[in-house]
Amino acid sequence: AQSVTQLGSHVSVSEGALVLLRCNYSSSVPPYLFWYVQYPNQGLQLLLKYTTGATLVKGINGFEAEFKKSETSFHLTKPSAHMSDAAEYFCAVSYNQGGKLIFGQGTELSVKP
Amino acid sequence: EPEVTQTPSHQVTQMGQEVILRCVPISNHLYFYWYRQILGQKVEFLVSFYNNEISEKSEIFDDQFSVERPDGSNFTLKIRSTKLEDSAMYFCASRESGGPEAFFGQGTRLTVV
Repeated sequence: AQSVTQLGSHVSVSEGALVLLRCNYSSSVPPYLFWYVQYPNQGLQLLLKYTTGATLVKGINGFEAEFKKSETSFHLTKPSAHMSDAAEYFCAVSYNQGGKLIFGQGTELSVKP
Repeated sequence: EPEVTQTPSHQVTQMGQEVILRCVPISNHLYFYWYRQILGQKVEFLVSFYNNEISEKSEIFDDQFSVERPDGSNFTLKIRSTKLEDSAMYFCASRESGGPEAFFGQGTRLTVV
């Protein structure tokens, strides 16, 4: 079955440090790839997406992610963490344009002052 | 900016009661979805809906669940006889025909007591 794995359920970084949240998917067919963010008591907000073309995609709030087909990965990065980045981050894939999203288990990002 | 709206934000119901969760998708979107997130777990797909019919459903979406688009704007999820394990955050999402990304509502927190 198709699945998404996010390595690390909790990641803690210091303010100003690099953020790296890992996501791997299991499929030989490249899917559409997404990162969503969920702030406390809120819904899911799209951070960025990869469909086709350039493998490095930029999203909102200074986040970016790189699709690496050979590694079946779509890791999320941000050069310098801000306190307001503290949230839960979900990686998700879909295998066709109308298809359901398959989510990873989420990574909770904490940012220390 | 257009958004998906869900009502109510919180719903408490007694076990065995019927509940209807309501969603107003973004107006020009054609694909509609329900997902749920049990506390501390990943977001799970329930059902997708297109052209006035279910296009895909998960194993979770059994006979106790139904969806409906009763008019041109609302999209509802009905749970006929709620169980304790139905307690979760339920998210509605919608997607336009030309884009792969889904836009999520803020969610309805359902508590079954």
